[in-house]
Amino acid sequence: EIVLTQSPATLSLSPGERATLSCRASQSVSTLVAWYQQRPGQAPKLLIYGSSNRATGIPARFSGSGSGTDFTLTISSLEPEDFAIYYCQQRSFWPALSFGGGTKVEIK
Amino acid sequence: EVQLVQSGAEVKKPGESLKISCQGSGYIFTDFWIAWVRQMPGKGLEWMGLFHPGDSGTRYSPSFEGQVTMSVDNSINTAYLQLSGLKASDTAVYYCARQDHYFDFWGQGTLVTVSS
Repeated sequence: EIVLTQSPATLSLSPGERATLSCRASQSVSTLVAWYQQRPGQAPKLLIYGSSNRATGIPARFSGSGSGTDFTLTISSLEPEDFAIYYCQQRSFWPALSFGGGTKVEIK
Repeated sequence: EVQLVQSGAEVKKPGESLKISCQGSGYIFTDFWIAWVRQMPGKGLEWMGLFHPGDSGTRYSPSFEGQVTMSVDNSINTAYLQLSGLKASDTAVYYCARQDHYFDFWGQGTLVTVSS
């Protein structure tokens, strides 16, 4: 089973600041990683797929990078609606899919 | 517009069974896998399994195999997740999601509360 470890668990930042979220895989998953955003009381939403591709309608302030075991989601300048929980997910060993534990981005 | 609409919240007693539905629209339902994802209160996302409406193919997470059953009724573009022998620890929000390589569209979630 591929284990995805996200860090930090919580990120306290102010609007306008840059957010850098990390996701580390227990073994190489190539670039087969996605990032999802979950706002309180809502279903997750696909942000980034294939490590670095923005999903339809996702603002350019969201970017993803990485390959192998280390992945990063960057939000260049936080908007009020970006304060949420973010999950990474791998599909390298389909159908054995897995999610990371999540990073909460909260208002400082 | 692609949509997945799930059945409403449920309150069940321990030992009872439950079937959650997920109706797809706006796309060819039999062309994409449907995933089921659990989110326990205050916790993260857990992938439970995949079901392909086109050929009834199933893939279960080892953590959930034997505990849940997935099915479909293609005449109404609806996938189902059955939970049997419910326990308090099954209290969670259950999501369905369409998989097009990744989970690109999600249902709104179904809250299941198991309490005596």
